Amino acid sequence: QKEVEQNSGPLSVPEGAIASLNCTYSDRGSQSFFWYRQYSGKSPELIMSIYSNGDKEDGRFTAQLNKASQYVSLLIRDSQPSDSATYLCAVYSSASKIIFGSGTRLSIRP
Amino acid sequence: SQTIHQWPATLVQPVGSPLSLECTVEGTSNPNLYWYRQAAGRGLQLLFYSVGIGQISSEVPQNLSASRPQDRQFILSSKKLLLSDSGFYLCAWASSLGYGYTFGSGTRLTVV
Repeated sequence: QKEVEQNSGPLSVPEGAIASLNCTYSDRGSQSFFWYRQYSGKSPELIMSIYSNGDKEDGRFTAQLNKASQYVSLLIRDSQPSDSATYLCAVYSSASKIIFGSGTRLSIRP
Repeated sequence: SQTIHQWPATLVQPVGSPLSLECTVEGTSNPNLYWYRQAAGRGLQLLFYSVGIGQISSEVPQNLSASRPQDRQFILSSKKLLLSDSGFYLCAWASSLGYGYTFGSGTRLTVV
């Protein structure tokens, strides 16, 4: 079982709609959860972090965490073509490293 | 503010040649440092990490090595490159893992 699992996509969403990205993790002791955005050919950029159950909103982005279900999600409202990228879910649980999922490719169609 | 520098941005090397990639962090002390590799269309593979000078942990046995000669400097090396070493190499740092990593801009290595 992979430690952090994501659907690889591609996920195609019309412009202006809500994009929903999902992630599950295996370590119940995980403490911190992150979403990174990676444009093609570029390095990953941290866009959201969440530490407690519930929702965290930042502009058009909302991260959701459910520790009982070991589930993290990212919602992007009013999707724009510039949101087309690969989104990486990442989890910090122990040791000195963060575990990444393999990423979900998101495509926003005009 | 903290910044991370990684160079070179692009590198084309012949099979069997040596490799040295350098990463430096400014504006912080005693950071955790990381080297990742990303093959084309694939996820991030953790290669090495360091929690202090001279302390290196290896995640994947291969022909690469890492060193941390100074607090804010992390070097990735190889004595003889293989075709399979091609990829996008990313350096990252963290002061506290609870706040996530910050990545450098990456080095795209092509071994020919």
